[in-house]
Amino acid sequence: QPALTQPASVSGSPGQSITISCAGTSSDVGAYNYVSWYQQHPGRVPKLMIYGVSQRPSGVSHRFSGSKSGNTASLTISGLQDDDEADYYCSSYTSSTSWVFGGGTKLTVL
Amino acid sequence: QVQLVQSGAEVKKPGASVRLSCEASGYPFNTYYMHWVRQAPGQGLEWMGRISPSGDFTNYPQKFQGRVTMTRDTPTSTVYVELNSLRSEDTAIYYCVRDGHTWNFDYWGQGTLVTVSS
Repeated sequence: QPALTQPASVSGSPGQSITISCAGTSSDVGAYNYVSWYQQHPGRVPKLMIYGVSQRPSGVSHRFSGSKSGNTASLTISGLQDDDEADYYCSSYTSSTSWVFGGGTKLTVL
Repeated sequence: QVQLVQSGAEVKKPGASVRLSCEASGYPFNTYYMHWVRQAPGQGLEWMGRISPSGDFTNYPQKFQGRVTMTRDTPTSTVYVELNSLRSEDTAIYYCVRDGHTWNFDYWGQGTLVTVSS
């Protein structure tokens, strides 16, 4: 059972915006600003999209943004494109000096 | 550019051990934590542990404590993970991952498939 809870799937049409939630606890998401998000296309290696709740690594599109409220973090993708179709995973550092992942969300671009 | 190159696929019998390697290049190896993350077929990501830049200390989740060992060799810029008492549930792709100094996983190896089957 993944420690962080994500919706199994979300979908949107090209050009629309979608948001993926990542629910944790006061010992992980709520305790630290060390939430990150990863994109994984089928058969590919995960790619860092957001770190530190809302920071974008160099080269990641501005269409990707992150936020956090309480024990829940969110990833928003605006201006959906076909290539955004992938699995997305959230991760958080925890008070146990460990890291946890969400179960992943499959994004379908209609 | 940062590169993490992992060793090749392994097939093991239940009860055996496996040792995977990951050679890093393109950055100062001895200044970054390294993690291992695995992904079972069709499943999500699972954190297995991390090793400090010097190799002096490690952190493992309770699930793997006593069964996993992470080490690193600075002269060869290589990090290793050994998993003992393998069972079928350990069948997965194992990734070595660099910690980007802000508790995130910024660079990933290409992955190593470990298959545990009798």
